[in-house]
Amino acid sequence: AQKVTQAQTEISVVEKEDVTLDCVYETRDTTYYLFWYKQPPSGELVFLIRRNSFDEQNEISGRYSWNFQKSTSSFNFTITASQVVDSAVYFCALSVFSGYALNFGKGTSLLVTP
Amino acid sequence: DTGVSQDPRHKITKRGQNVTFRCDPISEHNRLYWYRQTLGQGPEFLTYFQNEAQLEKSRLLSDRFSAERPKGSFSTLEIQRTEQGDSAMYLCASSSGDRDDWGTEAFFGQGTRLTVV
Repeated sequence: AQKVTQAQTEISVVEKEDVTLDCVYETRDTTYYLFWYKQPPSGELVFLIRRNSFDEQNEISGRYSWNFQKSTSSFNFTITASQVVDSAVYFCALSVFSGYALNFGKGTSLLVTP
Repeated sequence: DTGVSQDPRHKITKRGQNVTFRCDPISEHNRLYWYRQTLGQGPEFLTYFQNEAQLEKSRLLSDRFSAERPKGSFSTLEIQRTEQGDSAMYLCASSSGDRDDWGTEAFFGQGTRLTVV
């Protein structure tokens, strides 16, 4: 069975602070994909990143960066210099080999205040 | 490209009634997914279509639920004899890929919020 744990339910930061959202996953498969999605108040899930299990390189995209560590089964997401528009619920998800379903965590609600 | 479209956006129904939701995927996408999301939870997978074929169904999809995708274009999700526990956001997503592709990026619609009273 697969499981994604996002232990942080809610995080509140002041604008321009850096914030890291944690994601820990469990799977017996050695081949899998990890994802991050953003869900703003409008409700539509927005794809942010996909990473396969064979690629442990960290990735940076603008103010966003992701740290994938197989040794700790973690795929953490950092927002640098947070902005009010980053306020949303962020979901980490797992898809295993030959599976089509995304297994989502419960999400972390991020509030960025001015 | 107008994205994934879902209709209606909101539905209030009385317990015991049947409801049907529609999803129009991104036009060039051959894969379509249904998920259910309750308050404070992540989306839970319900079912998956590759073109018109329903290839995977979750155990969450009880006998009261049925999904179709005729002609491999739009899809409908019907819930019969609704119960209060069916109250949730129903999300549709689409992606493209061959049968052997997996882990593809899915694009989500804004969902249909169902309230059963």
